Amino acid sequence: KQEVTQIPAALSVPEGENLVLNCSFTDSAIYNLQWFRQDPGKGLTSLLLIQSSQREQTSGRLNASLDKSSGRSTLYIAASQPGDSATYLCAVRGYAGNNRKLIWGLGTSLAVNP
Amino acid sequence: GAGVSQTPSNKVTEKGKYVELRCDPISGHTALYWYRQSLGQGPEFLIYFQGTGAADDSGLPNDRFFAVRPEGSVSTLKIQRTERGDSAVYLCASSLGQTNTEAFFGQGTRLTVV
Repeated sequence: KQEVTQIPAALSVPEGENLVLNCSFTDSAIYNLQWFRQDPGKGLTSLLLIQSSQREQTSGRLNASLDKSSGRSTLYIAASQPGDSATYLCAVRGYAGNNRKLIWGLGTSLAVNP
Repeated sequence: GAGVSQTPSNKVTEKGKYVELRCDPISGHTALYWYRQSLGQGPEFLIYFQGTGAADDSGLPNDRFFAVRPEGSVSTLKIQRTERGDSAVYLCASSLGQTNTEAFFGQGTRLTVV
């Protein structure tokens, strides 16, 4: 059974720091991995999607890497800003039967202080 | 539409009442997912549609929950005899297909059962 873990659960940093958020998964048989952002009381915003054949994806100050064999992904945030404060969730899409549902971590709650 | 649309954004109902939550996916997306999220938790899978059919409804917690997607586009999640434990944010997502495609989420419906 696929399990997704995110470390740390919470992180508080001063503005300008470069950050690394970690996501690990137990079953390497995945189609893809997706990083999301969630603001308090809001829905989920997709940040980056990495296919199983890819090693990394970049969007602006965000870079996500994927090491499928070791079951790990990292989200790198460069030059963090107070507007980056949110919960970051990773989810993997697996092969379970007829369903390609996303399996989720519990998220990392990030606070970037001015 | 431009994104996944969910209505209503907030719903307060009395225990025992019936509620319907609507999801309007991105045009052309054949895959549609319902999740629910409780405070401090990751999303919990409920049901997955591929086209008009429910390909996997294994996440529905009991027979009070039912979902339809009669024309392969809009979906309605129906909850009968609501209970206080049903209170959560109900999230809908759509994607082009099942596998290597990005999932896009709506803003969710916050259901409160009093």
